[in-house]
Amino acid sequence: GAVVSQHPSWVICKSGTSVKIECRSLDFQATTMFWYRQFPKQSLMLMATSNEGSKATYEQGVEKDKFLINHASLTLSTLTVTSAHPEDSSFYICSARLPGGPGEKLFFGSGTQLSVL
Amino acid sequence: AQSVTQLGSHVSVSEGALVLLRCNYSSSVPPYLFWYVQYPNQGLQLLLKYTSAATLVKGINGFEAEFKKSETSFHLTKPSAHMSDAAEYFCAVSDGDQGAQKLVFGQGTRLTINP
Repeated sequence: GAVVSQHPSWVICKSGTSVKIECRSLDFQATTMFWYRQFPKQSLMLMATSNEGSKATYEQGVEKDKFLINHASLTLSTLTVTSAHPEDSSFYICSARLPGGPGEKLFFGSGTQLSVL
Repeated sequence: AQSVTQLGSHVSVSEGALVLLRCNYSSSVPPYLFWYVQYPNQGLQLLLKYTSAATLVKGINGFEAEFKKSETSFHLTKPSAHMSDAAEYFCAVSDGDQGAQKLVFGQGTRLTINP
């Protein structure tokens, strides 16, 4: 089946620094990728929808200047957490959509655990 | 707006016993419903989905779920639990006409299997 690679799997950074997370579709082209945030023992919350070649669409309450999303190619989307603070510590998961249908055409990365000190 | 409620953040069953994970949804349009499984330090894997065809949906690893419109439910079941079923399970809903464009997830249910 299709594979989505997310890197890094975990990262620790100092408060005030920026962190970039990559999401790659390894064997298919994904015109649409999604970024989710998951707090401990809570559900996944959609942060933004990333469309190749255009600006990302952010969900209400998500700061677009803080969470920069770039979908420069059909196989790569990046999420940059700028000026990270401890409250940004969370598990971030990306997913890539293989066009053609719902649910089964959505493939998830393995997630990135971000810890901001 | 759509929403999903999973009853019970933690379910524990014995190996070989019936697994029942509950999910209720709210949607103003015919929903697409999904169950995903998340193993530790991994992404989500689709178990099964309902897309307005058969109300009883069979998925991978012996799981199945039944869509009950009158109860707005989509509970996940497995007749006999296996140790490898221990994981976090998420129920999700999306708009019928958007498919997987935007998934709204439930809070998740952690399934523990006792030997």
